[in-house]
Amino acid sequence: DAKTTQPTSMDCAEGRAANLPCNHSTISGNEYVYWYRQIHSQGPQYIIHGLKNNETNEMASLIITEDRKSSTLILPHATLRDTAVYYCIVERRDGGSQGNLIFGKGTKLSVKP
Amino acid sequence: DTGVSQNPRHKITKRGQNVTFRCDPISEHNRLYWYRQTLGQGPEFLTYFQNEAQLEKSRLLSDRFSAERPKGSFSTLEIQRTEQGDSAMYLCASTGGTEAFFGQGTRLTVV
Repeated sequence: DAKTTQPTSMDCAEGRAANLPCNHSTISGNEYVYWYRQIHSQGPQYIIHGLKNNETNEMASLIITEDRKSSTLILPHATLRDTAVYYCIVERRDGGSQGNLIFGKGTKLSVKP
Repeated sequence: DTGVSQNPRHKITKRGQNVTFRCDPISEHNRLYWYRQTLGQGPEFLTYFQNEAQLEKSRLLSDRFSAERPKGSFSTLEIQRTEQGDSAMYLCASTGGTEAFFGQGTRLTVV
């Protein structure tokens, strides 16, 4: 079973920030938080990951709480092309276990004009 | 390198037939994964390879399913005696480090 819980769906106005929450209260010390998204009829796409510090890249920002029990993915200026299902995943990264990801149902983000 | 490539993109087959899918990972990625995804669900892990060695198989992978990765390059996933319940999107992913790169998937419809 997935180790994360996410809202089923969210709406966001185009141009506004989209804040997608994720709870991972049972996360272990050596587990990272990963975010992927899946646009309709395509394979999942990596967005960002982090351990305990906040992270930012060209796609998004990841805010992880100090106790690491939850995180928020932020898309700073959502566009219609950001409409997708967003998956929050926790995974160990010892010995290169990346890829054996356990997906939940994710959050369906709808960006509206 | 244009990413992970999967062929065919779509496959319609009659129940009881065998089907084979191919995945070409990003070159130099030593790990390759297969997932299955049904409508409204997230992808479910099936199996993975480290180079040519198949290191883990999910209990979802029944004995009608077999995967190979000869020479640690491309991989094939074969389903024998297909059933309607096998209808799904089959996704391949490869990784050489931090994140997994997914292909576009092969959508299988068993009629």
